[in-house]
Amino acid sequence: KNQVEQSPQSLIILEGKNCTLQCNYTVSPFSNLRWYKQDTGRGPVSLTIMTFSENTKSNGRYTATLDADTKQSSLHITASQLSDSASYICVVSASQAGTALIFGKGTTLSVSS
Amino acid sequence: GAVVSQHPSWVICKSGTSVKIECRSLDFQATTMFWYRQFPKQSLMLMATSNEGSKATYEQGVEKDKFLINHASLTLSTLTVTSAHPEDSSFYICSAVTGGDYGYTFGSGTRLTVV
Repeated sequence: KNQVEQSPQSLIILEGKNCTLQCNYTVSPFSNLRWYKQDTGRGPVSLTIMTFSENTKSNGRYTATLDADTKQSSLHITASQLSDSASYICVVSASQAGTALIFGKGTTLSVSS
Repeated sequence: GAVVSQHPSWVICKSGTSVKIECRSLDFQATTMFWYRQFPKQSLMLMATSNEGSKATYEQGVEKDKFLINHASLTLSTLTVTSAHPEDSSFYICSAVTGGDYGYTFGSGTRLTVV
């Protein structure tokens, strides 16, 4: 069964600290893995997209890694800011066209001052 | 970058009435759009795939007659919740494939409350 598991479910950190979110998947065939940030009451916004051959991709203070062998990905947030408080969703695609997207339940990150 | 506009951002309606939600691709053409539903603290759940010029493809368990989808142009898909009930209250999100580099953009979502 195609699944995407994220951990932790929620996380609270102090402003300025770093954190790492985890994503394990059992999706086959694999096309790409995406990380999205979803603010409360808003649609998801893309942070990174990685294909099978990519093992790291950065977007500002966000760095995603992918190990296609172990089917694991992580999202590292550096020097967290209050505005980073959101839900972070890992999405694995079995095709390029956007169909067959498997969503994780997300990690809720709270950054406090 | 590609922008998907969703309207309205929130709506309150009475039980038994119908509500239409619009999803527009602003700077690109989208032959395929997707409609999702999201409950609090839950993942997005795909409801249907909207194809321009043809009938939508609904996921198992989604009532076609209740959630009417129309994709009449390459830039607009609409979701109409018919005879809304309180249990239809949810967050509805659309998305579109933007092409190139596996682009996939979400709308900003619509919070529907049925009273």
